[in-house]
Amino acid sequence: NAGVTQTPKFQVLKTGQSMTLQCAQDMNHNSMYWYRQDPGMGLRLIYYSASEGTTDKGEVPNGYNVSRLNKREFSLRLESAAPSQTSVYFCASNQDRRAFFGQGTRLTVV
Amino acid sequence: DQQVKQNSPSLSVQEGRISILNCDYTNSMFDYFLWYKKYPAEGPTFLISISSIKDKNEDGRFTVFLNKSAKHLSLHIVPSQPGDSAVYFCAASGLNGGSNYKLTFGKGTLLTVNP
Repeated sequence: NAGVTQTPKFQVLKTGQSMTLQCAQDMNHNSMYWYRQDPGMGLRLIYYSASEGTTDKGEVPNGYNVSRLNKREFSLRLESAAPSQTSVYFCASNQDRRAFFGQGTRLTVV
Repeated sequence: DQQVKQNSPSLSVQEGRISILNCDYTNSMFDYFLWYKKYPAEGPTFLISISSIKDKNEDGRFTVFLNKSAKHLSLHIVPSQPGDSAVYFCAASGLNGGSNYKLTFGKGTLLTVNP
């Protein structure tokens, strides 16, 4: 049972490049989330999906788009990466009001 | 506006002593509270939670206390062990319109337990 799996684990992008962070969960959870963690800022919610087919903005959505491909998968896309998007990104799924997190993707934009 | 606040960025304690991590919240709609533990290069992992209908929840060495009138919760670790050294995040959950729940996190407290 893998839980929440994120790919890639590390990525370096040049300013203006695009990329998609992938997330999949095998726990049959309805809700999925994308957070970013920055030093001194804690975990901030970017986007979430309460169920398959729905997505909503979180606290810091600017510069990102998401796709809830099916119940298992929730991807995060950076269309034109900026240095301010250098961060560690965590995907999570939620069951009974408890979130389960992936291992994270460390993204550096140069 | 920060709805969940952990005002101590770091805490250092001796092995075997008690660690007390504090958290304050401002949103009265929060009705479920959680603590997560995070080691470097790993995702946060669930530690313990408490519903707003309770004032205490205990799980082994970990106890969470909730003071609703003060909008304050704390995590007690007794006795503290070096393996407890990690960043601890406080999180709060409440209805986000309709029937959706989402977690709001504090900035975290780095706990260091010295041997």
